Amino acid sequence: NAGVTQTPKFQVLKTGQSMTLQCAQDMNHEYMSWYRQDPGMGLRLIHYSVGAGITDQGEVPNGYNVSRSTTEDFPLRLLSAAPSQTSVYFCASSYGQSQETQYFGPGTRLLVL
Amino acid sequence: QQQVKQSPQSLIVQKGGISIINCAYENTAFDYFPWYQQFPGKGPALLIAIRPDVSEKKEGRFTISFNKSAKQFSLHIMDSQPGDSATYFCAASFNDYKLSFGAGTTVTVRA
Repeated sequence: NAGVTQTPKFQVLKTGQSMTLQCAQDMNHEYMSWYRQDPGMGLRLIHYSVGAGITDQGEVPNGYNVSRSTTEDFPLRLLSAAPSQTSVYFCASSYGQSQETQYFGPGTRLLVL
Repeated sequence: QQQVKQSPQSLIVQKGGISIINCAYENTAFDYFPWYQQFPGKGPALLIAIRPDVSEKKEGRFTISFNKSAKQFSLHIMDSQPGDSATYFCAASFNDYKLSFGAGTTVTVRA
């Protein structure tokens, strides 16, 4: 199993540009989520999904969109990038709802100029 | 506003020493408290977790101590090794999958 994969590893954007961060998992996990990691802030939940076709907002959803058309994929879209979105983004998945291990991908480092 | 407060921000320990990281929370509905370990350039990985019905859980050199009345929990790394050098995050959730993370502690183990 590849686990949780994320692409790209690193991206530079200009303010106002849009892009999609890709996330895929091959563990047949129902639950997937996106976090951003900033120095001194830990990881903050952006959006999450409890199954195909179902998504919900996390702690910091503004400026991001998600969709979940398949169990395997959970892309994160930046509609109009802003410097405040410079961060490291992690995708995670887990088998069940509560108190299950979340498996994190390797991350995407995003720089918005 | 972070729901889980973690300290210290960083610590340095000699090889063989004990590393202690503390976390505090306010939401008494939290019922699951995991610790994640993250190496540079990697995603976090679950290290150890505890539920509030026990006061301590040990896995190898890693121990979680939990104080429900004080709403605090801590990670102890015994006999710290250079390979333990990483960033450690405490987290909490209440039966709904969403984790609230602490700010993280960078541990450096000097040989």
